[in-house]
Amino acid sequence: EIVLTQSPGTLSLSPGERATLSCRASQSVRSSYLAWYQQKPGQAPRLLIYGASSRATGIPDRFSGSGSGTDFTLTISRLEPEDFAVYYCQQYGTSPPVYTFGQGTKLEI
Amino acid sequence: QVQLQQWGAGLLKPSETLSLTCAVYGGSFSGYYWNWIRQPPGKGLEWIGEINHRGGTNYNPSLKSRVTISVDTSKNQFSLELSSVTAADTAVYYCATASDCSTSTCYVSPWGQGTRVTVSS
Repeated sequence: EIVLTQSPGTLSLSPGERATLSCRASQSVRSSYLAWYQQKPGQAPRLLIYGASSRATGIPDRFSGSGSGTDFTLTISRLEPEDFAVYYCQQYGTSPPVYTFGQGTKLEI
Repeated sequence: QVQLQQWGAGLLKPSETLSLTCAVYGGSFSGYYWNWIRQPPGKGLEWIGEINHRGGTNYNPSLKSRVTISVDTSKNQFSLELSSVTAADTAVYYCATASDCSTSTCYVSPWGQGTRVTVSS
């Protein structure tokens, strides 16, 4: 089973700054199977990025995803106050078919 | 646009069976996978399993012996049963839609509102 490790665990930044979140896989992951989610307290996760680099519907263009193989990155170019949340990466493995999530990165002010 | 509404018992005793149902509104029931994902208090996300409209299932190997996911296409609903619950099963349980990974990029969206389930004697 592929393990996803996110870093850092907590990222402290200010509005207007750039955030770079990392997701490292224990084995190579197909880019089409890599997604990123944002979760705010008391809410369900929201899809941000799928296919490693495609923004989901309605997601602002300050969010971007990149990477391939075992190293993937979520970048938020200019932080807005509403961006402070927990971010998860997710991959889908085919043998066996299973979704796994990283442990999350908390982005705090 | 697909929307999900879920419901079920929120307080269980150890050894009981957790039962949740999720209704799908506003979209096709076929062509997707219907998932259950949980989140223990203060922790990350754990995938439980999924089902398609034909009843084909995939389960998390760590929970497979206790999990049953079923579908009722006549009602556009799918359900989760988790048997022999313990305090470790205390979590917020989410239903969610997933793309068909065999034919497209793989992602989970949208999600239901979540149901908080507590297991306590």
